[in-house]
Amino acid sequence: AQKVTQAQTEISVVEKEDVTLDCVYETRDTTYYLFWYKQPPSGELVFLIRRNSFDEQNEISGRYSWNFQKSTSSFNFTITASQVVDSAVYFCALSEAYGGATNKLIFGTGTLLAVQP
Amino acid sequence: NAGVTQTPKFRVLKTGQSMTLLCAQDMNHEYMYWYRQDPGMGLRLIHYSVGEGTTAKGEVPDGYNVSRLKKQNFLLGLESAAPSQTSVYFCASSYSGPINYGYTFGSGTRLTVV
Repeated sequence: AQKVTQAQTEISVVEKEDVTLDCVYETRDTTYYLFWYKQPPSGELVFLIRRNSFDEQNEISGRYSWNFQKSTSSFNFTITASQVVDSAVYFCALSEAYGGATNKLIFGTGTLLAVQP
Repeated sequence: NAGVTQTPKFRVLKTGQSMTLLCAQDMNHEYMYWYRQDPGMGLRLIHYSVGEGTTAKGEVPDGYNVSRLKKQNFLLGLESAAPSQTSVYFCASSYSGPINYGYTFGSGTRLTVV
């Protein structure tokens, strides 16, 4: 069965600090996709990144970076020089790669990040 | 604008009342999903559909029914609402090909059952 664990329920940092959100996943599939979504106080789900299980290269997008390690089944998300606007709930999610099955997206329980000014 | 549209955005129901949440997508996606979001629980899959005329149970299907009579619409029904169904409901859709291009989510429906 697929499972996503986000052990950090809440994190509080002061603006300009770096912060890492942890994500550990379980799957028996050899091919799968991992996602990160942001949910700001307004409530909508904002897509951040999609990563194929065959691509273990780390990715950087501005102040955001992602560290994918298949050996530890982790897909961690780091925000550098955090800002108040980064305050949100962040979800890690896992899905099968192929549409021949169901493509169900399985979410972790989320991490609430509060960035204090 | 292309995307997933959920109606209504807010609703208050009395215990025992029924209602239907509508999800409509205009991207010709085969797969559609209904999730509920509760504090500390993340998003949990209620029901999903892999094509017109098909539905299947997800992780928390009890108390809900769904229908996919048209490819673009996925309806979620509550026959007899209970306070435990107070939640935020999200609909999503996705492409069904061999590559997972991701998911498009609606803006959510906040349902309160009193």
